Amino acid sequence: GAGVSQSPSNKVTEKGKDVELRCDPISGHTALYWYRQSLGQGLEFLIYFQGNSAPDKSGLPSDRFSAERTGGSVSTLTIQRTQQEDSAVYLCASSFGQGAKRDTQYFGPGTRLTVL
Amino acid sequence: GEDVEQSLFLSVREGDSSVINCTYTDSSSTYLYWYKQEPGAGLQLLTYIFSNMDMKQDQRLTVLLNKKDKHLSLRIADTQTGDSAIYFCAERGDSTLTFGKGTMLLVSP
Repeated sequence: GAGVSQSPSNKVTEKGKDVELRCDPISGHTALYWYRQSLGQGLEFLIYFQGNSAPDKSGLPSDRFSAERTGGSVSTLTIQRTQQEDSAVYLCASSFGQGAKRDTQYFGPGTRLTVL
Repeated sequence: GEDVEQSLFLSVREGDSSVINCTYTDSSSTYLYWYKQEPGAGLQLLTYIFSNMDMKQDQRLTVLLNKKDKHLSLRIADTQTGDSAIYFCAERGDSTLTFGKGTMLLVSP
């Protein structure tokens, strides 16, 4: 079946502008994750959605970052007033979210954000 | 807090075996994962191992887990140029994964 998809694949924006990144998880997956991968860094956890529960926002770096998940499926990550340090690849992953084995995360191809 | 460490770079010749090492700190980790990232692509799940296992083999891949030392390794037999990529080790915490910074594997002909 279809994997996790993300759009756009590349986004170039000017400092101070807002951007929205979209993630379509694998059908049937109840859990959705956002990560950020900066040059030379590992993957940094941003936010986690599980079903209808309140999201785990503990990884969001500032209040300029927010995310929502509509209808338990598609998710949008919004970055307001972008800064150059926000430049990174933003990766989305999804999983069944139930039990250990079924919690294996499958990743999308990512959105490369460049803030000029 | 949780921390995952990996060596940053490994270079091997085609046909040799590659061993990528990882250490982690969370003794309560239930699953440990290896992901592969090719240039410009997302992360591809290679394999995972449950914490009560010592070894898992999947075709050319062998995962060894030393839970006492919190050490995980990935062995790739008969390494090919197509195996050149960044390999990430990850441990599963309460709800998310903690990743290492990745090991870049370069396979030369």
